Amino acid sequence: QKEVEQNSGPLSVPEGAIASLNCTYSDRGSQSFFWYRQYSGKSPELIMSIYSNGDKEDGRFTAQLNKASQYVSLLIRDSQPSDSATYLCAVTNYGGSQGNLIFGKGTKLSVKP
Amino acid sequence: DAGITQSPRHKVTETGTPVTLRCHQTENHRYMYWYRQDPGHGLRLIHYSYGVKDTDKGEVSDGYSVSRSKTEDFLLTLESATSSQTSVYFCATGTSGGADTQYFGPGTRLTVL
Repeated sequence: QKEVEQNSGPLSVPEGAIASLNCTYSDRGSQSFFWYRQYSGKSPELIMSIYSNGDKEDGRFTAQLNKASQYVSLLIRDSQPSDSATYLCAVTNYGGSQGNLIFGKGTKLSVKP
Repeated sequence: DAGITQSPRHKVTETGTPVTLRCHQTENHRYMYWYRQDPGHGLRLIHYSYGVKDTDKGEVSDGYSVSRSKTEDFLLTLESATSSQTSVYFCATGTSGGADTQYFGPGTRLTVL
């Protein structure tokens, strides 16, 4: 059973701090990695995608990938109360006739003013 | 946004009745997906489609069927609804399968009494 593991949280950080969200995955053959943000009662929306080892930065967000350790993380700099949401890690699964995504259960982030 | 709508947005039904949920997209995306989201389980793939009339099972397909007769529409049918199918159902679309970003619809909250 291919799995994606995340700490469920809640992760609480003060406004302006760096929030660090972590994810591990079991399928060493995975090639594509995604972070989605989901506000309460809303649908998931893409924050970052990463395909190669190393860091990828987009504004206040940095995704980090280490395929050897099967680990992907998301850093949020200068956290804002509006960043309070559940963050979902998703990893490509190539089982079945087409590649699909396997989602972690999500980490709930709370940014305190 | 990928122009994805779901109908109905809320539905209450009784055990044993058939239920059909509709997903409609205006982006001409080839891939369409149905997920369910439950507390403690995260997002789980029910069925997906990689083209008109081309569908395959996901992780939790028992009790569900799908049909895709047009690029823009993907229907999810609960053949005989059970209380365990009470959930929030999300439709998603994408252009290139598992290696690609998925765009989510607003969700349908289904309650089976």
